[in-house]
Amino acid sequence: DIQMTQSPSSLSASVGDRVTITCRANQSISTYVNWYQQKSGKAPKLLMYGASSLQSGVPPRFSGSGSGTDFTLTVSSLQPEDFATYHCQQTYSNPYTFGQGTKLEIK
Amino acid sequence: QVQLQESGPGLVKPSETLSLTCTVSGGSVSSASYYWSWIRQPPGKGLEWIGYVYYSGSTNYNPSLKSRVTISVDTSKNQFSLKLTSVTAADTAVYFCARVYSIYDSFDSWGQGTLVTVSS
Repeated sequence: DIQMTQSPSSLSASVGDRVTITCRANQSISTYVNWYQQKSGKAPKLLMYGASSLQSGVPPRFSGSGSGTDFTLTVSSLQPEDFATYHCQQTYSNPYTFGQGTKLEIK
Repeated sequence: QVQLQESGPGLVKPSETLSLTCTVSGGSVSSASYYWSWIRQPPGKGLEWIGYVYYSGSTNYNPSLKSRVTISVDTSKNQFSLKLTSVTAADTAVYFCARVYSIYDSFDSWGQGTLVTVSS
């Protein structure tokens, strides 16, 4: 199985901050990475697909980059509604696997 | 806009079979552009992909669960279903159904999730 390791596991930031979350795969996965936002008690929501493509309806303050083994999700200016848990996912090979999640909290 | 809704028992006894159904509205399970998937999340833990089904009935399962899992589709009812046999407490989780877009297999629409507890 491909292991996806996110860092940090948790992050405290303020409204207006720029934050970056990293996801590393233990083997090359091209750009087969998707990012999801999950709020407490809710289903995940797709933010980015193919490492850098913004899902329709997602604000452009979200961006993604990377290929191979290293990927990042960046929020350019945090808004109150962005405080949530973020998950990366690889869909390069079966089984599809997720990172352990990064919890973004208000400082 | 497509909507997905999980349904099924919230409590299952150990060694029995967990059965859930996902009803799709605002879209068709017969669409050639999508797969239909199940994912689970144990309380306080991360997400685990279980598998997916295509409208043709072809499936792809997580090898860690493959011996116990069956995912099927009913195009006449616009539903797809999950069966997980021989459950234990480790199968206690929130179960989500989701639509998978064939571009990068991104999970672009999700049900709200349903908690299934395995306990006697």
